[in-house]
Amino acid sequence: EAGVTQFPSHSVIEKGQTVTLRCDPISGHDNLYWYRRVMGKEIKFLLHFVKESKQDESGMPNNRFLAERTGGTYSTLKVQPAELEDSGVYFCASSRSGRGAYEQYFGPGTRLTVT
Amino acid sequence: AQSVTQLDSQVPVFEEAPVELRCNYSSSVSVYLFWYVQYPNQGLQLLLKYLSGSTLVKSINGFEAEFNKSQTSFHLRKPSVHISDTAEYFCAVGAAGNKLTFGGGTRVLVKP
Repeated sequence: EAGVTQFPSHSVIEKGQTVTLRCDPISGHDNLYWYRRVMGKEIKFLLHFVKESKQDESGMPNNRFLAERTGGTYSTLKVQPAELEDSGVYFCASSRSGRGAYEQYFGPGTRLTVT
Repeated sequence: AQSVTQLDSQVPVFEEAPVELRCNYSSSVSVYLFWYVQYPNQGLQLLLKYLSGSTLVKSINGFEAEFNKSQTSFHLRKPSVHISDTAEYFCAVGAAGNKLTFGGGTRVLVKP
């Protein structure tokens, strides 16, 4: 089966601009997660979708971040307007429901640089 | 709330030598424990997991980790490393269908 894919792999934008990151989970995975790693820090949870619904968005840093999951398939994470501290690697992960929910499969990440 | 501490940020090790990566966690509820690995220019891959049962879990490439509830630890070991084990290793705690909490990562550099 195809793995989790993320687009773009890299993005360089200026402060104040808007960027949209996309994640395509493994087909059939109801759970979709976004995580972020700021340089030198640990990987931190941002939010969790179950199908199209936000289950937990406690990790979203502020209202400049907007996540959506259209029809319970792919997800987008928009940052508007971007700030310097938003730079980092954004990971997406997905997992099945039920017992399969223990194992999260990660995408390669999107490296975002805000200048 | 949960937290994970990886005591070593970097571990240099010679090829064929043993390596141990330390991981301690804190949690007010029962947790499941994971080790993920990130090879250069790749995404995170699940290396091994502890959900229940035997406290010693093993991966297909020779790594093993032991869940120690009294010590709240889940250290990762390999008796003999290869150059290809050069990567960053992340310890994480979580629950089914819920978010993972990661440690800061340990970079392992295997030297010939």
